[in-house]
Amino acid sequence: AQKVTQAQTEISVVEKEDVTLDCVYETRDTTYYLFWYKQPPSGELVFLIRRNSFDEQNEISGRYSWNFQKSTSSFNFTITASQVVDSAVYFCALTNTGGFKTIFGAGTRLFVKA
Amino acid sequence: DTGVSQNPRHKITKRGQNVTFRCDPISEHNRLYWYRQTLGQGPEFLTYFQNEAQLEKSRLLSDRFSAERPKGSFSTLEIQRTEQGDSAMYLCASSLVTGQGRQPQHFGDGTRLSIL
Repeated sequence: AQKVTQAQTEISVVEKEDVTLDCVYETRDTTYYLFWYKQPPSGELVFLIRRNSFDEQNEISGRYSWNFQKSTSSFNFTITASQVVDSAVYFCALTNTGGFKTIFGAGTRLFVKA
Repeated sequence: DTGVSQNPRHKITKRGQNVTFRCDPISEHNRLYWYRQTLGQGPEFLTYFQNEAQLEKSRLLSDRFSAERPKGSFSTLEIQRTEQGDSAMYLCASSLVTGQGRQPQHFGDGTRLSIL
C-alpha cells in the first residue's frame, strides 16, 4: 500500500524565519515519483517540484529547498526567509509506477505572520 | 498555456439532484484526472483518462459517480442523486505522458459543490 504522511497539521512562523515541512512516504515500488504542491487560499494546486526515486540529489530553487532521503523515506521541504505570501497549505504527494494515481498527504497549513 | 479550466467554480444544489462538472485540460496533455478534496484533507484520486479511454475508475466513490471524455479533450464528471456527503471540492488535473517519466499533474481551480 502507498501512503504519504505529513505529521504537521499547522505551522505558524514569523516572517523571515526558516521553516521545514516534513513528508514521510510508504511504497513497495522501487520506481516512484514524489511531488510538492502548494494550495493558496484561492484554492488551486500549484506544482512546486517533482523528484524521482533514483535521484536523491537535494534541490534548491530560490528560497525553496528539498531534502530527499530514501533511507528514511522522507522528502522534506524547507522555505528560507519565509514571507507572508508563502502562507498556504502544502501537500506532499507520491505517484506510483503506473503514473496515474497520485496519493496526497493531508497537507500542512503554513501561516506566515508579518 | 491557458491552464486547466473547470466549470462551474461553485455549484449549490439540493440533495437528490444530478450535477455535472466540466474540465478542459491543457490542450497538449493526453491524461486527465479527477480528484475529490474534502475540508482539511488532501485530494483523493477518483479516476483518470488516457486520451478518451477511461483506464482506472475503481476509485469512483459509488455508482452515482461517472466520468466521460468523449473526444479525448474535455471531460465531464456527473454525480447522480446527490447526497450531503458529496459536498466537496472536485479537482481536475492533466498531464503529458511521454518517455521522459512522470510529468507533474497540473490542476484546475476546482469546482466546489455544496449540497443543501
